[in-house]
Amino acid sequence: QQQVKQSPQSLIVQKGGISIINCAYENTAFDYFPWYQQFPGKGPALLIAIRPDVSEKKEGRFTISFNKSAKQFSLHIMDSQPGDSATYFCAASKSSQGSRLTFGEGTQLTVNP
Amino acid sequence: KAGVTQTPRYLIKTRGQQVTLSCSPISGHRSVSWYQQTPGQGLQFLFEYFSETQRNKGNFPGRFSGRQFSNSRSEMNVSTLELGDSALYLCASSFDSGSGYTFGSGTRLTVV
Repeated sequence: QQQVKQSPQSLIVQKGGISIINCAYENTAFDYFPWYQQFPGKGPALLIAIRPDVSEKKEGRFTISFNKSAKQFSLHIMDSQPGDSATYFCAASKSSQGSRLTFGEGTQLTVNP
Repeated sequence: KAGVTQTPRYLIKTRGQQVTLSCSPISGHRSVSWYQQTPGQGLQFLFEYFSETQRNKGNFPGRFSGRQFSNSRSEMNVSTLELGDSALYLCASSFDSGSGYTFGSGTRLTVV
């Protein structure tokens, strides 16, 4: 199975709060898990990515938590800002398939001032 | 450093026509991938080219094709357009397969 399931579909957070988006995958051959941020009229932009040999990766306000046994990974946005309002996509790929990313359905994040 | 450039940004075509979209990757990037984005199906992989060779192909009909030139620029072609082909077509480039991919802003294709 190649699916990546993402939740929630939409999320509203107050400024300064924590935004949490979850993804689950089925294919245990996946070995690269990126998160993308997309603003209207723009292409997705790589935020942060993780490989399954680590359980957590932090870059600034963005943290990926990875649970290999549960086949789940999540994005945490600390101190959420109105400028973070965008659509977020998780994705997964396997090295043997090059750049073929399987994307989640997307989460529309709104951060209220 | 220039990003991934896609042309044209917007395109309106009539059902049955064909269309060619262009992608110029980041300088030095050898891998170019194409994705289709629609509200109903989300982001779906079309194909990947590396050093002028197609390395991967998604589950799209043969009407969708592509190619890559020696300078890594890529084009994708859709023949016999259908209304359902209306979408945002995104190109992404990377230095090598499996590394971080940078997306362009896409070409918005509308089929009427």
